Amino acid sequence: KAGVTQTPRYLIKTRGQQVTLSCSPISGHRSVSWYQQTPGQGLQFLFEYFSETQRNKGNFPGRFSGRQFSNSRSEMNVSTLELGDSALYLCASSLALGPNTGELFFGEGSRLTVL
Amino acid sequence: QQQVKQSPQSLIVQKGGISIINCAYENTAFDYFPWYQQFPGKGPALLIAIRPDVSEKKEGRFTISFNKSAKQFSLHIMDSQPGDSATYFCAATSGSARQLTFGSGTQLTVLP
Repeated sequence: KAGVTQTPRYLIKTRGQQVTLSCSPISGHRSVSWYQQTPGQGLQFLFEYFSETQRNKGNFPGRFSGRQFSNSRSEMNVSTLELGDSALYLCASSLALGPNTGELFFGEGSRLTVL
Repeated sequence: QQQVKQSPQSLIVQKGGISIINCAYENTAFDYFPWYQQFPGKGPALLIAIRPDVSEKKEGRFTISFNKSAKQFSLHIMDSQPGDSATYFCAATSGSARQLTFGSGTQLTVLP
């Protein structure tokens, strides 16, 4: 059974650009969550999608957005990139809505560097 | 109130020793406490998790101890092995929170 797949794995952008990251969850998983990981702030929740609807959002500016498609695949977008957006962006999938209902399966992440 | 405080930041243990990582939380609504293990270049992977209706859960060499009154929980790794060298994150959540709140992480090094 394939795990969570994130693309691209690495990317470099410059300030002011925008970026789109993709996540394919484990087959059958309907919930997709996104987390940002940085050395200074650790792992922080961005948002969760279930059945194509954003169900919960973390404390991030509106430049961070996402969506989920009917096949449960998800994308997140960051517009007007800032240096502080450099991070590892992790996608996690689960069968049900909400992390306390069971295991979150994380992908290997997309490492974004903003110059 | 959503914070989860984790210590120590780093830990060095000899092979065969016991590794202990501690976490404390404030939000009494938290009802699910997982531990994640992360190797360099990989995403976190669930190691073991506990709910507050039990005080201890053991899976192989890994044990979670949970103290509800003190709002603390800890991970014990018995017979630590070099392959256990990784970063460990505690986390907490509740049905109403709908997101995992992670601790700051502990970098464990097990010396051969």
